Amino acid sequence: GAGVSQSPSNKVTEKGKDVELRCDPISGHTALYWYRQSLGQGLEFLIYFQGNSAPDKSGLPSDRFSAERTGGSVSTLTIQRTQQEDSAVYLCASSLEGGQQNTEAFFGQGTRLTVV
Amino acid sequence: AQSVTQLGSHVSVSEGALVLLRCNYSSSVPPYLFWYVQYPNQGLQLLLKYTSAATLVKGINGFEAEFKKSETSFHLTKPSAHMSDAAEYFCAVRGYSSASKIIFGSGTRLSIRP
Repeated sequence: GAGVSQSPSNKVTEKGKDVELRCDPISGHTALYWYRQSLGQGLEFLIYFQGNSAPDKSGLPSDRFSAERTGGSVSTLTIQRTQQEDSAVYLCASSLEGGQQNTEAFFGQGTRLTVV
Repeated sequence: AQSVTQLGSHVSVSEGALVLLRCNYSSSVPPYLFWYVQYPNQGLQLLLKYTSAATLVKGINGFEAEFKKSETSFHLTKPSAHMSDAAEYFCAVRGYSSASKIIFGSGTRLSIRP
């Protein structure tokens, strides 16, 4: 597609439920990122996929968080047993392979997750 | 590991005044550097980027940034602030290797006084 697409745009879930957030990156982009932005806060890195390499999961806050990227394209971020502190905007971004000039990340509009 | 530090979580300037948002990076080699802007209730968009082609980089909406290796800085400036510049600004860094991820600073909220 023309841009990074995320769904749903908004998600309200009950504490303890599992949620899945989807990201469809720009076609041809080999790198995909997930970030979390809490109210009034900066962008917290969660996970980074680059081509066929093992993902960099160093930013995942707990083992309740996981992500996968199928076929080098669509990615799903899963949060199990959601907690109120998981409430935030989850942003997905994609970029061309690192090491190239056109290396900036393009962001989706985000998924606003509210845990009640 | 690369990192960026943005000095000042909130900056307020008068309309027409100079805008200066500070960013310092930490990297063993000069990296790629970016400034992103997030307008209220909108997504992040790229303002400008440094890729070693030129130390003074011009971006959209009259913003520019200068890469200073000796100071490990990449400050964002605009000569004359406009009300529409009110937004959150993020500095980011990325290394050259394909394994290098983009790391963002904590952001600076820019307010413009009439």
